[in-house]
Amino acid sequence: DQQVKQNSPSLSVQEGRISILNCDYTNSMFDYFLWYKKYPAEGPTFLISISSIKDKNEDGRFTVFLNKSAKHLSLHIVPSQPGDSAVYFCAASIRTGTASKLTFGTGTRLQVTL
Amino acid sequence: KAGVTQTPRYLIKTRGQQVTLSCSPISGHRSVSWYQQTPGQGLQFLFEYFSETQRNKGNFPGRFSGRQFSNSRSEMNVSTLELGDSALYLCASRHGQGNTGELFFGEGSRLTVL
Repeated sequence: DQQVKQNSPSLSVQEGRISILNCDYTNSMFDYFLWYKKYPAEGPTFLISISSIKDKNEDGRFTVFLNKSAKHLSLHIVPSQPGDSAVYFCAASIRTGTASKLTFGTGTRLQVTL
Repeated sequence: KAGVTQTPRYLIKTRGQQVTLSCSPISGHRSVSWYQQTPGQGLQFLFEYFSETQRNKGNFPGRFSGRQFSNSRSEMNVSTLELGDSALYLCASRHGQGNTGELFFGEGSRLTVL
């Protein structure tokens, strides 16, 4: 049972345009959400997070939106750069549990073209 | 400061063998967790250790085990290897025991079972 779903395995975007990566979850107990980025042969690196008490969090070119009623979150990257080409994982946790137990989606491979 | 270090980076085993993977967390980090990454499954939580105690465990069979030493270094062991155990095993460390603080991942140990 995949509790965190990333239904788009890949996405191609032109440099300078907006990249939108989507994530859906089914467990209503999740109250903390994160995005990680992974380059080949490297471990995932933390990108941005959002608590369920917020609906938006912004950090530079990266913005995460959370729609709790729809159990949906999205990551917007504006403007997209070639260095953003990587696999992006959405993750969720329950803060009454342990922040180390993240439930990850299967990832979306973003390719930013020139 | 040095990141999370995992050894070995690559290894090949045959079915029925056992394997031990090692993880040195970032200095000062006391929480170490392990994840398995396979194509199509994303990252799946194996277990977390804090102060030499297992705090949480994912849904993996008993063939998967781990431990943490007094210096916070951690090992995980997989016994009676099966073909399906072929995966990238990622270790992540975190500073605290509570529910804040991002996970810092190592580059992983890629295990191939023949």
